[in-house]
Amino acid sequence: DGGITQSPKYLFRKEGQNVTLSCEQNLNHDAMYWYRQDPGQGLRLIYYSQIVNDFQKGDIAEGYSVSREKKESFPLTVTSAQKNPTAFYLCASSNRGTGYTFGSGTRLTVV
Amino acid sequence: EDQVTQSPEALRLQEGESSSLNCSYTVSGLRGLFWYRQDPGKGPEFLFTLYSAGEEKEKERLKATLTKKESFLHITAPKPEDSATYLCAVQVREGAQKLVFGQGTRLTINP
Repeated sequence: DGGITQSPKYLFRKEGQNVTLSCEQNLNHDAMYWYRQDPGQGLRLIYYSQIVNDFQKGDIAEGYSVSREKKESFPLTVTSAQKNPTAFYLCASSNRGTGYTFGSGTRLTVV
Repeated sequence: EDQVTQSPEALRLQEGESSSLNCSYTVSGLRGLFWYRQDPGKGPEFLFTLYSAGEEKEKERLKATLTKKESFLHITAPKPEDSATYLCAVQVREGAQKLVFGQGTRLTINP
């Protein structure tokens, strides 16, 4: 079945550590996105990519980095520069004329 | 600035008690309005897309409608399994297929 796979489901980060969240899709979608969700707030866009080897900053890109070396993959790195990384992270993909398909999310906690 | 506001933030109903959720938007140009359902700890699940004022879509106990300024998600005779957070998002007229999300309405249906 086609879909988006995010891993891991839960991730714990120590202070000063970089961590990478995985997002893989087999829907043949061109565009991929990373959103952050905090309690009581809407989804906020971190980064998005419309084609391979190209990506743009969203509304809250500071402290995050991404790459898009393959159409299927869009990993997100949460760097030590992100001061408040504890949140639920959602990856999504889409093609023109379709809505988003979301992954099941990664919950990141700073310990 | 593109903005999406959902109301109420939370709604508690008795099983069988019909009601409506509101999504009002202020955007530079609307390409589409999306409704998603999100269960706790999971990614959003697509429900509907609406493209023009006057359009309506239905799925089981849910019906979505669209005007030039807002959308309503009507829920008729809800059941406990309809309990979830309902997210509204708009796609604005840009090259990218970015969605701007509201903060969601947390719906609880009591048996």
